[in-house]
Amino acid sequence: EVQLVESGGGLVQPGASLKLSCVASGFTFSDYWMSWVRQTPGKTMEWIGDIKYDGSYTNYAPSLKNRFTISRDNAKSTLYLQMSNVRSEDTATYYCTTTEGFDYWGQGVMVTVSS
Amino acid sequence: DVVLTQTPPTLSATIGQSVSISCRSSQSLLHSNGNTYLHWLLQRPGQSPQLLIYLVSRLESGVPNRFSGSGSGTDFTLKISGVEAEDLGVYYCVQGTHAPFTFGSGTKLEIK
Repeated sequence: EVQLVESGGGLVQPGASLKLSCVASGFTFSDYWMSWVRQTPGKTMEWIGDIKYDGSYTNYAPSLKNRFTISRDNAKSTLYLQMSNVRSEDTATYYCTTTEGFDYWGQGVMVTVSS
Repeated sequence: DVVLTQTPPTLSATIGQSVSISCRSSQSLLHSNGNTYLHWLLQRPGQSPQLLIYLVSRLESGVPNRFSGSGSGTDFTLKISGVEAEDLGVYYCVQGTHAPFTFGSGTKLEIK
């Protein structure tokens, strides 16, 4: 059974940093490009970026490129999202998913940015 | 960025009724490799999104065949032939042809 399990969310203050993780199982993680997607409280879906299956290349939404970094550890079947200098507008549920076809999704992890 | 315009924003249907959702793109989604990376997702209340249709018209494994997708270029449609109670939720189209990948604003399906 395919599983993607995100963790690392919570309540953070503006300007802080946060690292989300997504552990994959049930499929060959190292064969897949992986993406992070977020959903705002108003249900708007936003693609954050993705990473090539071997970690050698990343794409980002231009508006987030300077503050968010995607990485992966294929030995641990884990995808990461490093968020820095977070803002209130980063409040959302964050999902990891497979890029090509968006066929596998995690359960999501909530991040709330507030003082 | 590619803008995906989904209509209608809400849809109210009775059980057994057939409905359609439109997704129009601000530019062609035909990739240089010949694929069109337009997919349809369903997010049921309280759940994560799930893939229904990929590459415009291909039915994801396990998805009932009352769901179908069609279209090309910039105009795409998701059809549900005979709505069932479990189909309620929000439907999103998403494009993976042009980075940054983008989502439609969603269509909420309510059951009368």
